[in-house]
Amino acid sequence: ETGVTQSPTHLIKTRGQQVTLRCSSQSGHNTVSWYQQALGQGPQFIFQYYREEENGRGNFPPRFSGLQFPNYSSELNVNALELDDSALYLCASSPPGSGNTEAFFGQGTRLTVV
Amino acid sequence: AQSVTQLGSHVSVSEGALVLLRCNYSSSVPPYLFWYVQYPNQGLQLLLKYTSAATLVKGINGFEAEFKKSETSFHLTKPSAHMSDAAEYFCAVSDKGQAGTALIFGKGTTLSVSS
Repeated sequence: ETGVTQSPTHLIKTRGQQVTLRCSSQSGHNTVSWYQQALGQGPQFIFQYYREEENGRGNFPPRFSGLQFPNYSSELNVNALELDDSALYLCASSPPGSGNTEAFFGQGTRLTVV
Repeated sequence: AQSVTQLGSHVSVSEGALVLLRCNYSSSVPPYLFWYVQYPNQGLQLLLKYTSAATLVKGINGFEAEFKKSETSFHLTKPSAHMSDAAEYFCAVSDKGQAGTALIFGKGTTLSVSS
């Protein structure tokens, strides 16, 4: 069984650019959540997708947006990158009916904004 | 809103010593509580979870945690530390409010194990 996979693993972007991060959920998992983990901090909830629709959002500006596809994979898009967007971005998938009692995390994408 | 506080950003123990990582939570409803471990340059791995069943929860790698409602605590323990336990540990509470079913994490505790 393949776990949660994220791509790319590392990325360097320039301030003002746009970036797309990708996440393939674990087989059978229909809910995907995205988290931002700044250096030395705990992960912070960005948003969650369920059945291709946003199901909840944390305290992040609209330039953070996402998509979920019919196969339950997901993208996180960030526009107008700022230096403070530099962080590890984590994707987590959950099986049907589990809420967040079963959240499986990927390895993350390390984004550096220069 | 729910929140967690991890007491001590850095804990150092000797190999074979007791590990105790502290977590206190704030929640207006019965919480779901979790401990995750993160090794360098990796994602999060679930150690154990409390979902309103038994208050003493056993997890992987010999870790366990006890839910104490009166103390609003969910401390993580392991009787005997191994070198391989050195990592970052996060306590989290499940928020079923307006933010969807998000996980709210503490700031983490770095565990160092010396020989």
